[in-house]
Parts: sequence; C-alpha cells; structure tokens
Amino acid sequence: QKEVEQDPGPLSVPEGAIVSLNCTYSNSAFQYFMWYRQYSRKGPELLMYTYSSGNKEDGRFTAQVDKSSKYISLFIRDSQPSDSATYLCAMKGKGGTSYGKLTFGQGTILTVHP
Amino acid sequence: NAGVMQNPRHLVRRRGQEARLRCSPMKGHSHVYWYRQLPEEGLKFMVYLQKENIIDESGMPKERFSAEFPKEGPSILRIQQVVRGDSAAYFCASSPPQLHVNYGYTFGSGTRLTVV
Repeated sequence: QKEVEQDPGPLSVPEGAIVSLNCTYSNSAFQYFMWYRQYSRKGPELLMYTYSSGNKEDGRFTAQVDKSSKYISLFIRDSQPSDSATYLCAMKGKGGTSYGKLTFGQGTILTVHP
Repeated sequence: NAGVMQNPRHLVRRRGQEARLRCSPMKGHSHVYWYRQLPEEGLKFMVYLQKENIIDESGMPKERFSAEFPKEGPSILRIQQVVRGDSAAYFCASSPPQLHVNYGYTFGSGTRLTVV
C-alpha cells in the first residue's frame, strides 16, 4: 500500500465548475500538508499548505485536512482553463530529518475546457 | 531572484555513461532536495542536503547514485553507468535555513534524462 493515494484522473470539467481533488494517506506521522500544481514540462509550484487539521482558503482555492480520517482535499472554485495542470498532494512529518522529505501522491490531471 | 536553476534541461546519455545534473538553489537557501519523477508517477524523494552535508539519503538507490552540495557551487546529482530505467525527470528544490514550518519548497524546472 502506498503511503499517499491520489486518484490520477484524468478529470475534465467545464469552465466555472467547482473542482474537488483528494488524497488519502496511511502515515499518522504526517503533520504538514501541501498542494502543488505542475504544468507540463515544468517543476511543481506550491499552491497551498496547511498544518494539522483544518481549512485554509486563498482566493479560489480551499485546502482541507481531516487527520482523523487521514484525508485531504483541495477545492477550486470558478475553475479556469488556466487551471488545467497536474495537481499533486504532498505531506511531511515533523522534526528532525522528516523536514526534508515530502511524500507525494501520484498527481491528478485536470483539464478545464472553455 | 532567479529561482532554483537546474541544468541541463535535457540530457541524453547512452547506457553505461555518467550523468551529472546540476542545481543552483535560490539565493539565501542552503538546503537542497532532489526528487525523481518517473512517467505517470508522482515525485519520489531521493536526498536532502545542506552545504557539505548529506542529511537524509533514504531515497537514493544504493548503487550508482551519489549527491553532493559543496561549500561553493551548485549541488550535483551524479548517476554512474546509467541504465534505461534511469530515464526520468529529476527535480531539485531548495529552502531557507530556518525551515519555517509553514514553508514549502521551491522547485526548479527539472532535468529530463533520457538513456538510449
């Protein structure tokens, strides 16, 4: 079993739709949770980060963490064609060398069509 | 601030040759991380380095792979005697020394290695 599971999609939605992306994980030591966006042939770009459980909102993006269920989500409101990319969840533990290692999901390919 | 710079962007090597991938972190960043992305897979952690020090190499293959981050100059990921299975995108990330708990890494654009 992978430490982090993410539905690879692909996911195709019309412009303006609400997009929900999810990851589940098995390692209870994970404390920090992030979402990255990766355009084709580019490096991952940090979108959102959260610590422990709770919600965080930034513009059209909302990140949720439910540690009791080991489940994290990213919601994109009013999706735009420019949001078309691969979305990667990532997480890491706390303290010591755990700071250095992010564990990624395999990524969800999202296409927003006009 | 030029961001995390990786070179070359594309690298083609024949089986058995050596591959050297370079990463210059963002200005002020002294921590470097290397990740590998195989086709249709997420990024896999390889190694975490600080200047002149390997902190965590738990993701590095036991043979043929090595990494360094010297006092001066870029970080180098070195793959000896490459095989076709080494073909992948290799990404470098960097972070500042404070390791703020709410800070994510900044990634470079990657080096795409093709072994023929």
